[in-house]
Amino acid sequence: AQRVTQPEKLLSVFKGAPVELKCNYSYSGSPELFWYVQYSRQRLQLLLRHISRESIKGFTADLNKGETSFHLKKPFAQEEDSAMYYCALVISSGSARQLTFGSGTQLTVLP
Amino acid sequence: EPEVTQTPSHQVTQMGQEVILRCVPISNHLYFYWYRQILGQKVEFLVSFYNNEISEKSEIFDDQFSVERPDGSNFTLKIRSTKLEDSAMYFCASVANYGYTFGSGTRLTVV
Repeated sequence: AQRVTQPEKLLSVFKGAPVELKCNYSYSGSPELFWYVQYSRQRLQLLLRHISRESIKGFTADLNKGETSFHLKKPFAQEEDSAMYYCALVISSGSARQLTFGSGTQLTVLP
Repeated sequence: EPEVTQTPSHQVTQMGQEVILRCVPISNHLYFYWYRQILGQKVEFLVSFYNNEISEKSEIFDDQFSVERPDGSNFTLKIRSTKLEDSAMYFCASVANYGYTFGSGTRLTVV
């Protein structure tokens, strides 16, 4: 089955500490992976996509095909990083493309 | 930056009533999606729409659901006879290349 797993429902870290949000995927094809962030009462926003290898708001994520992982990392967490984070995988079937989300990790950055 | 607009932001309806959720995608995007998020649960794919027809739908998208693009700009999700379990946040997304842009969602409450 093709899926995205985020093992941690909740994650709390102190401000300034490193943070890693885990994501593992299962997909038979070549994966396209994203991280989305949802701040309280706001829309889902694209944070990162693996194909662009960019760093947004200090976050990075590296695709590790051997471990089938796409963990999100930030060396120094800030209080404004507190949000729900979703890892997502594009599943392609013919011309159809479907974004499948993990169950999300609620990150709380404590002062 | 172009946005996906959803209306209404919140709708309360009685069980058994029909509801129509509206979305205005980004004008030059070609693929459109509906997702839903039941409170406390993950974001789930409902349906994708391309070239004026459904390209894929999930098991959730049963005969009670329908989508259409009536006037070339709006993209609607209709639930014919709402059930209590349809209460959720419904997100519309439009897609160009690798970018999924989500609307701010409609919170549907069925009472």
